[in-house]
Amino acid sequence: DQQVKQNSPSLSVQEGRISILNCDYTNSMFDYFLWYKKYPAEGPTFLISISSIKDKNEDGRFTVFLNKSAKHLSLHIVPSQPGDSAVYFCAASAQAGANSKLTFGKGITLSVRP
Amino acid sequence: EAQVTQNPRYLITVTGKKLTVTCSQNMNHEYMSWYRQDPGLGLRQIYYSMNVEVTDKGDVPEGYKVSRKEKRNFPLILESPSPNQTSLYFCASSYSGPSNQPQHFGDGTRLSIL
Repeated sequence: DQQVKQNSPSLSVQEGRISILNCDYTNSMFDYFLWYKKYPAEGPTFLISISSIKDKNEDGRFTVFLNKSAKHLSLHIVPSQPGDSAVYFCAASAQAGANSKLTFGKGITLSVRP
Repeated sequence: EAQVTQNPRYLITVTGKKLTVTCSQNMNHEYMSWYRQDPGLGLRQIYYSMNVEVTDKGDVPEGYKVSRKEKRNFPLILESPSPNQTSLYFCASSYSGPSNQPQHFGDGTRLSIL
């Protein structure tokens, strides 16, 4: 059973416009959420995170929104740039404890057209 | 430079021939983890370690072993590799568990088991 879902495998946007990447989760114990970006032939790199005590976190062009009641989060990139073209993974974890695991979604391939 | 180093980066081998993928981090991180990435499945956790001599299974541990004898190293061992273990593998580390810390990833090891 997939606990973190990224239902859209790909997204294409024009340079300068907004990119919105969506992620849904099913495990109500998840309370920390992250977005990672991955270029070909490289490992994933951390982009932005949000704790369940917040509903929004911003870092420059990147904003993550969390809707706990809907078990949904989204990553907004404004304005989108060609260098943002990559695979984006949503990930989630529950509070630290004996089973401290990170669960990833399948990823979304973002293409930003010049 | 802070980094997670995996070796080898690429390996083609045959079924049943034991192999080890090494992972080393220079950030004094306590938490280390192994993931595999497969098309359409995203990143799935194989094993993780909260500290020296403390390891636990992730979501897909079958066919793999790990050890954590030193803080900096976390090798992944395939005792008898099979073709279904052909995949892209990533090692990651963080100061503490993933419940409130982003992880640093290595650049990946592409394994092909013939």
